[in-house]
Amino acid sequence: GQNIDQPTEMTATEGAIVQINCTYQTSGFNGLFWYQQHAGEAPTFLSYNVLDGLEEKGRFSSFLSRSKGYSYLLLKELQMKDSASYLCAALDSNYQLIWGAGTKLIIKP
Amino acid sequence: EADIYQTPRYLVIGTGKKITLECSQTMGHDKMYWYQQDPGMELHLIHYSYGVNSTEKGDLSSESTVSRIRTEHFPLTLESARPSHTSQYLCASSGDRDTDTQYFGPGTRLTVL
Repeated sequence: GQNIDQPTEMTATEGAIVQINCTYQTSGFNGLFWYQQHAGEAPTFLSYNVLDGLEEKGRFSSFLSRSKGYSYLLLKELQMKDSASYLCAALDSNYQLIWGAGTKLIIKP
Repeated sequence: EADIYQTPRYLVIGTGKKITLECSQTMGHDKMYWYQQDPGMELHLIHYSYGVNSTEKGDLSSESTVSRIRTEHFPLTLESARPSHTSQYLCASSGDRDTDTQYFGPGTRLTVL
């Protein structure tokens, strides 16, 4: 079956760095997405990786290893507004998006 | 980024009512999706469409129906609402050939009494 695994909840301190991991098992692979979702709001697109390596976008970076079925989202210089759920999703061979349950990130002052 | 709209944003109705949740996008995206999400829970795909006159059921069994008569419009209808339908309904669209990134509307929070 197809599956996405990510931690349920993480806590970090304002100004610090946090890494949110995601492992995936899909029938074929056409890319890995990260979305941010604040409580009660819709998900917003953060990043897309299809090739191995690190993609940096400001304070956020996303890494992919296709051979390991593994990705992580790295958040630097954490701000209180980064408190949200972070959703990992993989695009399978049929271009269907398989969603993880999300990681709730709590930022403490 | 796609411009995608949903109405109403909030809806409280009684059991047995027929309702239609509206979703429109102005980016000309071929693919559109409906998700259901309870607070703190994962997204569940309930319907999707690859283009005009195309509709498919998603992973989550749903008593709703959809139609796609125009590219920009993808309404979802519940013929007879029940309290178990209380949830957030999110519409999304995608059209990027390279990445197929989905962009979400603001959602409709439905409460059925």
